[in-house]
Parts: sequence; structure tokens; C-alpha cells
Amino acid sequence: QVQLVESGGGVVQPGRSLRLSCAASGFTFSTYAIHWVRQAPGKGLEWVAVIWYDGSNKYYVDSVKGRFTISRDNSKNTLYLQMNSLRAADTAVYYCAKDISKSFDGLDVWGQGTTVSVSS
Amino acid sequence: QSALTQPPSASGSPGQSVTISCTGTSSDVGGYKYVSWYQQHPGKAPKLMIYEVSKRPSGVPDRFSGSKSGNTASLTVSGLQAEDEAHYYCSSYAGSNSLVFGGGTKLTVL
Repeated sequence: QVQLVESGGGVVQPGRSLRLSCAASGFTFSTYAIHWVRQAPGKGLEWVAVIWYDGSNKYYVDSVKGRFTISRDNSKNTLYLQMNSLRAADTAVYYCAKDISKSFDGLDVWGQGTTVSVSS
Repeated sequence: QSALTQPPSASGSPGQSVTISCTGTSSDVGGYKYVSWYQQHPGKAPKLMIYEVSKRPSGVPDRFSGSKSGNTASLTVSGLQAEDEAHYYCSSYAGSNSLVFGGGTKLTVL
């Protein structure tokens, strides 16, 4: 079935790095834009980044620009989020989500999420 | 990239209808047809309920409907059922290749 599975979360000290992965199955990964969305504990959803189906374009929320990098390997059906210079405010559950169409039409498939905790 | 405005809570009795609003600006909700609504139960991932203002993905009951007027989008849940109790989030394309979510509304079925 159509599925996204995140991994790579954990506890990390402020200023350190972490790389999240999102493995896709059940659909043609290389034809869809994929997003990262996060949710801080007890808070709402926050869009983080998007990458075009072919990796040609990448866009970020202002608060992570210059620190986070989204990438994908279509040969491995896998999405990544490289997070550098982590801050306490980055503590959240991180979800990868597939766009229903081209880029910002709606996120129709979500992973179960992976938890990132930034703490000293 | 300011969050869209949703009421923190809404409620209704089984069988009734409830409408949740999502207010933005002409730079997001009012400027584009790319408004979506998500349902999230505690400890679960969000689920897409409405996209492109009023379209329902396959499998979403037709009790859920979406609309937009000016800078405000709305989600209406008709014939409320106990399983509809959840948090609901709106989102909108906000220009410059960005997406913005609302703060979320907790829907309680009385």
C-alpha cells in the first residue's frame, strides 16, 4: 500500500546535526513533490520544506533557511532532511508528506512521524 | 508567513452540523485555490480531508465539505459522528513557494 516511513529522529544537543530519512513505497515516488512538516509538543502543524519531484527546486520556511537541507534519491525512493545547527525550537515530531499533485495542492499521504528532541 | 487564524475550539451534538473557519489574507487564502483541511486524532498523523478548497480525496465521507469566501475558508462537517472528534487544521499556499497552516481547532462531539 501507499506508505511513507520516517526514521532518524532522536535526542541531540543544541548546535549539533541530525539527518532524517523518509522511505516511500506503493507509489511512483519520482513523480511527486514531497514535504516535511513538523509539530512541536502540544502545538499545531508547521510546514518546513518541499522538494520538487525531480529535486530541481527546494523551498524552506524562513526559520530553517541556511540550517536545513531537503534532498531526495529517486533511485532509492527516499527523502532526506539534513538538520544542522539545531535549536531547542526545532524540537518536534517531523512528518514527511506526499503532495496530491504538483507541489502545494494538498498532502494526501503522511508518514507516522519521527521525534526530534534538542536538549542539553 | 503568519499562521492562518482558526477558532481554538468548536463543538456539536451527534447528527448536527458544525463549521470551522480559517482566516488568512489576500496573500494566502484569498489569493489562491490551494486551501486544504486536515484531521488529526491524538497521537496520529494528519489526514487530508479537503484539498483545493472543496475537493474530497477518495475515501473521505461526503459529510465533509469545504468552501471559501474572500480571505476566509470554511470546513463544514454534517451529520456529526463520535469519530469526527479530533483536531482540524487548515493550510494554504502562501505564495513564494511556501505553505502556511492554521493554529488548529479542536472539535468536540458532545
